[in-house]
Amino acid sequence: AQRVTQPEKLLSVFKGAPVELKCNYSYSGSPELFWYVQYSRQRLQLLLRHISRESIKGFTADLNKGETSFHLKKPFAQEEDSAMYYCALATGGGNKLTFGTGTQLKVEL
Amino acid sequence: NAGVTQTPKFQVLKTGQSMTLQCAQDMNHNSMYWYRQDPGMGLRLIYYSASEGTTDKGEVPNGYNVSRLNKREFSLRLESAAPSQTSVYFCASRQMPGNEQFFGPGTRLTVL
Repeated sequence: AQRVTQPEKLLSVFKGAPVELKCNYSYSGSPELFWYVQYSRQRLQLLLRHISRESIKGFTADLNKGETSFHLKKPFAQEEDSAMYYCALATGGGNKLTFGTGTQLKVEL
Repeated sequence: NAGVTQTPKFQVLKTGQSMTLQCAQDMNHNSMYWYRQDPGMGLRLIYYSASEGTTDKGEVPNGYNVSRLNKREFSLRLESAAPSQTSVYFCASRQMPGNEQFFGPGTRLTVL
């Protein structure tokens, strides 16, 4: 069965410091991975997906099939990045998403 | 476009009571989903509907039923609520191509 692991419940960094939110997955098929973000009092929304290889709000994530990882990175954290971040794996032709347990990112001044 | 809407926003039930959570989307998406979000457990899929007229169990379906009323609407029913069903419930719909899921604002349910 597929599984998504986010080892950190809480990550606290100072403004301007680099950020790396870890995500590892377990899946026998070809993975399709996403990062979703939930800002305070807002609904969950897509941040980025590995297929598009884009940078959104300064965040990037590279799929490493050898290490089965999809870590989210940003070189310089901003206060507005404080939020809950979820890594998710799509299976069944994209029909189902399996979410990790989430990492709360807190950016301190 | 309103996107994905959910009602109610908040609900308090007593053990054994029943209720239906409503969800609607105006994006013409075929697939819709119900998740529950619990601290330390992330989002877990309860049920989903790949297309109008079909529903399938997710990871945690026990104690729930769903109805895909039409392409727009997907409801979640708790027949006999239990304290273990205290959670935040999210509805979502999926855009094709791309597989992005769009989420509703959530329903915070407390079962006493």
